[in-house]
Amino acid sequence: DAGVTQSPTHLIKTRGQQVTLRCSPKSGHDTVSWYQQALGQGPQFIFQYYEEEERQRGNFPDRFSGHQFPNYSSELNVNALLLGDSALYLCASRGSTIVYGYTFGSGTRLTVV
Amino acid sequence: SQQGEEDPQALSIQEGENATMNCSYKTSINNLQWYRQNSGRGLVHLILIRSNEREKHSGRLRVTLDTSKKSSSLLITASRAADTASYFCATDAKGGGSNYKLTFGKGTLLTVNP
Repeated sequence: DAGVTQSPTHLIKTRGQQVTLRCSPKSGHDTVSWYQQALGQGPQFIFQYYEEEERQRGNFPDRFSGHQFPNYSSELNVNALLLGDSALYLCASRGSTIVYGYTFGSGTRLTVV
Repeated sequence: SQQGEEDPQALSIQEGENATMNCSYKTSINNLQWYRQNSGRGLVHLILIRSNEREKHSGRLRVTLDTSKKSSSLLITASRAADTASYFCATDAKGGGSNYKLTFGKGTLLTVNP
């Protein structure tokens, strides 16, 4: 049973560029959330998608945007990259019951130079 | 902002010993969850405890929740070298409807020495 799949695993971008990260949720899951994890910190909630709409958003600027497709997969877009955007970006999915928590992907390590 | 604060930040024990990690949080919650993360990889869900529960067990894990003190503890019994990882508590705060936005602490780094 495939869990959450994220691509790419690693990425190096230059300041000012734009990046798109991709996520396929676990089979049967329809809600996708994105988190940013800086080194040595806990994950910070970016936003959550359900039924192709952004349902909740964390304290992140508009440079961070997303999308959810009819097959529940999702993209995270970051424009005008800053050095401070360097982090591990985690995608998490869940189904209709919260009992089993969220299933996380292995993340995309983004380095901005 | 971080909702939870894990304590201690780092813990080093010998195989076979028990490990206890604590978590404090600030707002009312629907539930509290514990996750494990190995070496900067994805997080693995360990256990969820609802706000109306006080204790929960899963294998070698025991979680307690004290909503009056806004705190939780995770006990790992008979630890193994494979338990070496960072452990995070995450809260699902009340007032967010059913959207289940998780707020994480900074984590406890557990090292189990063989």
